Amino acid sequence: QLQLQESGPGLVKPSETLSLTCTVSGGSISSSSNYWGWIRQPPGKGLEWIGTINYSGNTYDNPSLKSRVTISVDTSKNQFSLKLSSVTAADTAVYYCARLNSTSSLDYFDYWGRGTLVTVSS
Amino acid sequence: DIQMTQSPSSLSASVGDRVTITCRASQTISSFLNWYQQKPGKAPKLLIYSGSTLQSGVPSRFSGSESGTDFTLTISSLQPEDFATYYCHQSYSFFTFGPGTKVDIK
Repeated sequence: QLQLQESGPGLVKPSETLSLTCTVSGGSISSSSNYWGWIRQPPGKGLEWIGTINYSGNTYDNPSLKSRVTISVDTSKNQFSLKLSSVTAADTAVYYCARLNSTSSLDYFDYWGRGTLVTVSS
Repeated sequence: DIQMTQSPSSLSASVGDRVTITCRASQTISSFLNWYQQKPGKAPKLLIYSGSTLQSGVPSRFSGSESGTDFTLTISSLQPEDFATYYCHQSYSFFTFGPGTKVDIK
C-alpha cells in the first residue's frame, strides 16, 4: 500500500521560505505513469493545487503563486520537496502531498499524505 | 484559468436520502473531472475519476455523470459515514478544485 508522509517546520516567519518534504513508501517514486503533487488548504477553506513533478524532474506549478514555488525530487530517497518563498500569513494552510495518477492521460490524485499544518507568523 | 463552481455550497440530509451535488466548469474540460470526499481533519479521498469511473473500494452508492460542462455526484442512499465535504477537481488544464459542498445531518 502506497503511503506518503509530509515533514517540515510547522512555523515559518513572514518573508522566509517554507520547506516541506514528502516521503513515499510502499512504492517507487520513479514510476513513469505518475506525477507527484502538492496541494494546500487554508484553515476552513478549500483546496488549492500548488504544483507537480515527475521522477525526471519535469515540473509545472500554479501560475497564481507567481513563481514562488520550487519543487524537486530525490529518487534515491524516494522523496520530493516543496519550497515556497516570500511567505505571508495567506500561506498558512495544511499542506498535502499526493500522487497524481496519470495512467491513460487521466489525471487524478489517488494517494494523499495526512497533511501538515504550516503557520506563517512572526 | 478554468473556474469550477459547485452547488449547493451546503445541504442537510437524512440517512437514506438521495443526494445530488453539481459542479460546473467555466469551459469545456471533456471528462477530466474528479470527485473527492473530505472529512474533518483528514486528507481528501478520491471517489470518482474521469467523470464517472468509481475508484476501487468506493461503495457503489456513489456515482458520477456529466452533461457538457456540468458534472453531478450522486449518493443514492446516504449513509452515516457519508457526512463530509465533497470537492470536484478538473484536470483538463492544470488543476482546479471546486469550492466544496458540505453535507451534514438534517
